[in-house]
Amino acid sequence: AQKITQTQPGMFVQEKEAVTLDCTYDTSDPSYGLFWYKQPSSGEMIFLIYQGSYDQQNATEGRYSLNFQKARKSANLVISASQLGDSAMYFCAIPSFFTGNQFYFGTGTSLTVIP
Amino acid sequence: DSGVTQTPKHLITATGQRVTLRCSPRSGDLSVYWYQQSLDQGLQFLIQYYNGEERAKGNILERFSAQQFPDLHSELNLSSLELGDSALYFCASSPAADLRPGAQFFGPGTRLTVL
Repeated sequence: AQKITQTQPGMFVQEKEAVTLDCTYDTSDPSYGLFWYKQPSSGEMIFLIYQGSYDQQNATEGRYSLNFQKARKSANLVISASQLGDSAMYFCAIPSFFTGNQFYFGTGTSLTVIP
Repeated sequence: DSGVTQTPKHLITATGQRVTLRCSPRSGDLSVYWYQQSLDQGLQFLIQYYNGEERAKGNILERFSAQQFPDLHSELNLSSLELGDSALYFCASSPAADLRPGAQFFGPGTRLTVL
């Protein structure tokens, strides 16, 4: 089974600064992807960014980028130029390749952006 | 707005009762996933349907069942409710075929409170 570990329960960042949220994973799947989701206090889960295990370049989506280090099995999310609206829970997820692609989620990191 | 709809948004009921949560996936998405988010268990996969067929099962209790209808909407039935069933229940849909992981788009969730 897949395993996702997020070791930072809470993080603080100053507005306009960059922040890195850690995610490590364990999988025996030959091909996999890593997903990041944002959950604001309102509760919805918002898809942010995806990286496939065979993608050559790190994924970027606007202010979000993935620092993907396959050998270390880590897929850290970098948020640049933090904004107050970035305050939320952030979840890393990995799908189960052989059984329908359901997601295994980490425990999440609570990010607070300080003005 | 992810395009996935869930009703109701909030549900308050008593122990021993039965409830039905409804989900309509994004237009064209064949896969529907149900997840439970609770404080003690985090985000857990319950069950997946693909084009009307059950595709994968996770940590779903025997008191819980689901189905996906020909129009692709899905319902999650929870019966003999216990206090511990209080949680946020998410439905997610994905356009991805089984062998290619794709982003899942989450509905706003149904917050179930069992009193």
